[in-house]
Amino acid sequence: LAKTTQPISMDSYEGQEVNITCSHNNIATNDYITWYQQFPSQGPRFIIQGYKTKVTNEVASLFIPADRKSSTLSLPRVSLSDTAVYYCLVGKNRDDKIIFGKGTRLHILP
Amino acid sequence: NAGVTQTPKFRILKIGQSMTLQCAQDMNHNYMYWYRQDPGMGLKLIYYSVGAGITDKGEVPNGYNVSRSTTEDFPLRLELAAPSQTSVYFCASSKQFLAPANTGELFFGEGSRLTVL
Repeated sequence: LAKTTQPISMDSYEGQEVNITCSHNNIATNDYITWYQQFPSQGPRFIIQGYKTKVTNEVASLFIPADRKSSTLSLPRVSLSDTAVYYCLVGKNRDDKIIFGKGTRLHILP
Repeated sequence: NAGVTQTPKFRILKIGQSMTLQCAQDMNHNYMYWYRQDPGMGLKLIYYSVGAGITDKGEVPNGYNVSRSTTEDFPLRLELAAPSQTSVYFCASSKQFLAPANTGELFFGEGSRLTVL
């Protein structure tokens, strides 16, 4: 599992675009990049997954540069309800385990 | 579809007691997982299973046991509860993906909040 580094926390305002970047310098050739969202008192929820370039769905966009050593989750026009913890996962570890890091705590202000 | 169902949602245990957290999924997923989450922290993998009859340890397996007798159910057993096991426990499931490095989409239950006093 490629080690990931994300900001511990971020603040933003309603209506703005929020970009959360995840660093994964030792990503393996076959690794996919996956993001989850966790609201307070709930289990994480899958947001988006990608391998290279750009992926977009109804919730977010995921930008992956050519070297794949980082990825950016983009949330367009956030609202208060986007306040959550966002986790970046890359592949599995060498024991085939899916490990979550500490994530980024995003706080949206009115 | 119910998805992943966990019971109970809340439980208070005394030190030394034992209990089982139940987890069931109706999506015919091969893979199932148990995570714990301490306040303000990320998730830690306790045990996981890649199919009926197959289980393996995660990051923090001590003090817990699991079994997987059916595809649908993956109970987590706590023996001799300790205050350090106070946490929120999440069960999750996923399909088996052919690409080994693709974790796919994990579907989580709503969690079971356990307090050991």
